[in-house]
Amino acid sequence: GENVEQHPSTLSVQEGDSAVIKCTYSDSASNYFPWYKQELGKGPQLIIDIRSNVGEKKDQRIAVTLNKTAKHFSLHITETQPEDSAVYFCAASMGIQGAQKLVFGQGTRLTINP
Amino acid sequence: NAGVTQTPKFQVLKTGQSMTLQCAQDMNHNSMYWYRQDPGMGLRLIYYSASEGTTDKGEVPNGYNVSRLNKREFSLRLESAAPSQTSVYFCASSGAEKLFFGSGTQLSVL
Repeated sequence: GENVEQHPSTLSVQEGDSAVIKCTYSDSASNYFPWYKQELGKGPQLIIDIRSNVGEKKDQRIAVTLNKTAKHFSLHITETQPEDSAVYFCAASMGIQGAQKLVFGQGTRLTINP
Repeated sequence: NAGVTQTPKFQVLKTGQSMTLQCAQDMNHNSMYWYRQDPGMGLRLIYYSASEGTTDKGEVPNGYNVSRLNKREFSLRLESAAPSQTSVYFCASSGAEKLFFGSGTQLSVL
């Protein structure tokens, strides 16, 4: 089955700097790659996603890149702000009978230092 | 617009007790899911329901049962709780490919 590895497990950056979180996946059949942000005491919230037919997607300060050949994808956050502090999860899946069986990475705790 | 609603938010059980976690969504989504979250392990899929009337095992189904009561509701049952089932449980739903999560149930089994 699919296996997703996420690095680093913790990341601390200065406010205004950029943050990069990387994930690798094992199953070449995976075609959907979302990123979730989880704040303390809350459920994961989708922040951006990308399909395998796209190499890059951007939404304001957040971007995701995908390298299908190397089977890795990355989250880039620019001009970081204190409210970006949270745990971030990557995931990979392929749709089965209309469902998305997401396999998650282990998570990255991002801290933005003022 | 409530999205995905889970009850209860917190629960403490003794080993061997049973309980049912409830989940309801108001987004008219076909698919629903139960995940558990443990420190350092991300979220792992317990069971999912691709559509009303169907359920399938995920990565870690042992010790759990599920019921897709109707299109809105998907419950998770622990028949005989064990300390290894201490975790945070999340329900999610999806209409196409995007999953939306509830706020979670923190379960402790003593």
